[in-house]
Amino acid sequence: SAVISQKPSRDICQRGTSLTIQCQVDSQVTMMFWYRQQPGQSLTLIATANQGSEATYESGFVIDKFPISRPNLTFSTLTVSNMSPEDSSIYLCSVEGGLEGANEQFFGPGTRLTVL
Amino acid sequence: SQKIEQNSEALNIQEGKTATLTCNYTNYSPAYLQWYRQDPGRGPVFLLLIRENEKEKRKERLKVTFDTTLKQSLFHITASQPADSATYLCAHSNDYKLSFGAGTTVTVRA
Repeated sequence: SAVISQKPSRDICQRGTSLTIQCQVDSQVTMMFWYRQQPGQSLTLIATANQGSEATYESGFVIDKFPISRPNLTFSTLTVSNMSPEDSSIYLCSVEGGLEGANEQFFGPGTRLTVL
Repeated sequence: SQKIEQNSEALNIQEGKTATLTCNYTNYSPAYLQWYRQDPGRGPVFLLLIRENEKEKRKERLKVTFDTTLKQSLFHITASQPADSATYLCAHSNDYKLSFGAGTTVTVRA
C-alpha cells in the first residue's frame, strides 16, 4: 500500500485568488489522480497526472482552471485558479495500488478548501 | 456510459445487526466493483473488490456479492459495531479511472 500526504490540510481563501495543493507519495507511481468532493457529494475525477506528460482532464474540468504539475514519480500539485465559492470542496489525490491488480486506489487525507 | 447508483443515502442500525448496502449499475456489467469506506474528514479507504465472475467475497465481517442478472452488488457488514459507522462508497473501474456512487452513510447505534 502507498502512504500519501497532502498539503495544506485545509485553507480558507478569498475569491479570485489561487491555491496550490501538494500531493506526496512514499513510493514511485506512474499515475496520480485528482478528485473533487463537493459538500455532501461523492468523488468526481478531475484529471489524471502522468509524469512527463500533460495531465488528462475529465469532462467539465479544464487546464486553465485546474493546472496540474507532475515533476517526478512521487509528487504532484493541483492549482485551483481564480477561485469562487463554488470551488469550496475537498480535493483528494490518489494512486493505484493493491494486491488485486484491479485499479484499487489509495487516497490522501484530502485538502478542505473554503472560498469566501 | 456506465452509471453507479447507491440506493440509500443513510442507514441506521442497531449494534450487532447486519447492515446491507446496495450498489446498482446500468448498461454493461463491469469487470469488477470496488467498495471503499470514508470517515468524515478523511480520504476513502479501499475495502474489497469483487469480479464479475465471482458470486461472493468475504473479508472478516464484510461480505460482498455480485449479481449480474440484477446488475447489483450487495455489501454486508455483519455483527455491526459503532466503529463501523462511516460512509461506504461503491465504485467501478473504466480502464484506470474510478467512478463512484453517491455513497451510503451507515450509523450503528450502541
